[in-house]
This record gives sequence, structure tokens and C-alpha cells, in this order.
Amino acid sequence: DSGVTQTPKHLITATGQRVTLRCSPRSGDLSVYWYQQSLDQGLQFLIQYYNGEERAKGNILERFSAQQFPDLHSELNLSSLELGDSALYFCASSEGLAGVSNTGELFFGEGSRLTVL
Amino acid sequence: QKEVEQDPGPLSVPEGAIVSLNCTYSNSAFQYFMWYRQYSRKGPELLMYTYSSGNKEDGRFTAQVDKSSKYISLFIRDSQPSDSATYLCAMNSIQGAQKLVFGQGTRLTINP
Repeated sequence: DSGVTQTPKHLITATGQRVTLRCSPRSGDLSVYWYQQSLDQGLQFLIQYYNGEERAKGNILERFSAQQFPDLHSELNLSSLELGDSALYFCASSEGLAGVSNTGELFFGEGSRLTVL
Repeated sequence: QKEVEQDPGPLSVPEGAIVSLNCTYSNSAFQYFMWYRQYSRKGPELLMYTYSSGNKEDGRFTAQVDKSSKYISLFIRDSQPSDSATYLCAMNSIQGAQKLVFGQGTRLTINP
């Protein structure tokens, strides 16, 4: 158990809808990352927050947004969903500001599997 | 072209075999190289970490980095059925420390 909790584990919804994925980082970790994993693209970095502030952005679509709250949990909002958004969405956390500590370790949750029909 | 290329496999070997997994990359700024292991229905977990070029050994696992060739490898000796998983290489640069770039992952099965 990595200590990172993601909910929901599975989500099925229709095109055009909006969903929210939630992540609780490991105790003491200030950085939260969101990744998307699909069969054809692999694991893609979306966005990182540190102590409530956005720190780094990857290829995150404009239809997607995220935030980190004062209690350090984070939410990823996906709107106007398309079939191609079906994927596993992972949250990861780390303790440091620079993102990846000297050990290179991110602690991943078990993911939220999103299916868009 | 992807920044990191990894053969997705699948790769199937008998128990006890030596397994070699590889990634190539194009960004010469990458300095930190990692291997993550992902079991089915789980998140990735860090297996090995290497800074710059060289070798690192941890039990049955050896990670190699050749920056001149932009090529990294993971070797698994005396492979066990419990090693069956997807192995993802990952790397980043000092400037882009927050953005770990992952390979697509190689699905490995060790047959008893």
C-alpha cells in the first residue's frame, strides 16, 4: 500500500459529461501529480501541485482542470468527456518541492479507471 | 517521435531466465533514470533509480545507463513468476524535475 488513496476506482459515464476524480496523498507529502495511462500513449504527465499551487503542467487538455486544497487532497476535473478520454488516471505524491526527490520516487495510487461510452 | 521509446512486448520467458528490458531516449538533458514496476490493477512502484551513467545493482536487479547512446537497461537475474508485471522506464532532467517522462512499459510474464 503506497499510502495514496484515489476515488472512485471505477467510473462509467457518457460523452459530454463531467466527472471529478479525487486523490489523498501520503501523509506529509506536499506534492501531488496527475497522470493519464492509456494503452496507446502509456503514462502521460498531466499536472503537478505543491502545497496548493500549480507547479508544472504537461499535455493537459483545456477540458481538464485540477486543484489542490488546503488539506492537500487534490481533485482532477474532466469535462465535455470524449470517448478518447477513457483511461486510467493515476495520482502520485512526493514529499519535495522539486517534484521528484533524489531517489526519484513518486508514490502512486491504484488509479481511477474512467470509461466514457 | 516519442521522447522515450520502450518495446511494449509482451515478453514471456521461463522461470530462472535472465531478462533484459530496454529503453531509448532522445532528450540529452535527461539525467535521472528510473525503473518502475506495475502489477496488474495497481499503480507503478519504484524499482530502481540511477543518476547519470553507470550501473546499479540491487539483489537480482541491475540497472544500466549509457548516456552516450541514450540507452538504459534493466536486467533481472534468476527471474521468478512474481516478477511478472509491466516494467516502465522513466526519466527526467534537472530543469524538468517535476515531469517524469515514462516509456510505454514492457509487459513481462515469467512462466513456472
